[in-house]
Amino acid sequence: QSALTQPPSASGSPGQSVTISCTGTSSDVGGYNYVSWYQQHPGKAPKLMIYEVSKRPSGVPDRFSGSKSGNTASLTVSGLQAEDEADYYCSSYAGSNNPYVFGTGTKVTVL
Amino acid sequence: QVQLQESGPGLVKPSGTLSLTCAVSGDSISSSNWWTWVRQPPGKGLEWIGEIYHSGSTNYNPSLKSRVTISVDKSKNQLSLKVSSVTAADTAVYYCARVPFFFYAFDSWGQGTLVTVSS
Repeated sequence: QSALTQPPSASGSPGQSVTISCTGTSSDVGGYNYVSWYQQHPGKAPKLMIYEVSKRPSGVPDRFSGSKSGNTASLTVSGLQAEDEADYYCSSYAGSNNPYVFGTGTKVTVL
Repeated sequence: QVQLQESGPGLVKPSGTLSLTCAVSGDSISSSNWWTWVRQPPGKGLEWIGEIYHSGSTNYNPSLKSRVTISVDKSKNQLSLKVSSVTAADTAVYYCARVPFFFYAFDSWGQGTLVTVSS
């Protein structure tokens, strides 16, 4: 099971939007509506930001949104704020034999 | 509010066995959750290691399956990870995390513990 493909980096100025892609296959991203996104600040544990493609856990700002088309999922951060600067990872359910695969990670920089 | 706390030796010798424990508080290990291990080599991405349900049912990453064992201790409300025949490539921060049943996402994480494989 190969890692999902994400761009290494993305950036935007405060108040702007940034979108991160997460490309997999029909065996993972394209096959299930179980894509999730995690935010990780340096030295910290990942934090769940989006689950089931587009749902936000309680407490996550609505500036974070998710979507999916075919084998590619996307995370959009609108109204960028300084605290959004972090690494972001996608993950997808991939079936009972090897349930979870993570993306390669994207470093978001707020200019 | 569930809390997870990893613990174990921070240094393991090559060819040895890595052993970690994750203490769970604020939730029962016997509740409707999968309990998982994820690792992250320094400066690299996340890798799913495996998961266990309180019934003892397990799933492992095929790339690690031959070397990994995950177990639960209901009396202590904790889960454990063992990785045998370790090499420098197993050096990583190891996290335990919770996946609610039918949720398919990691909703709570421990703070992680760094394990270095070195002689």
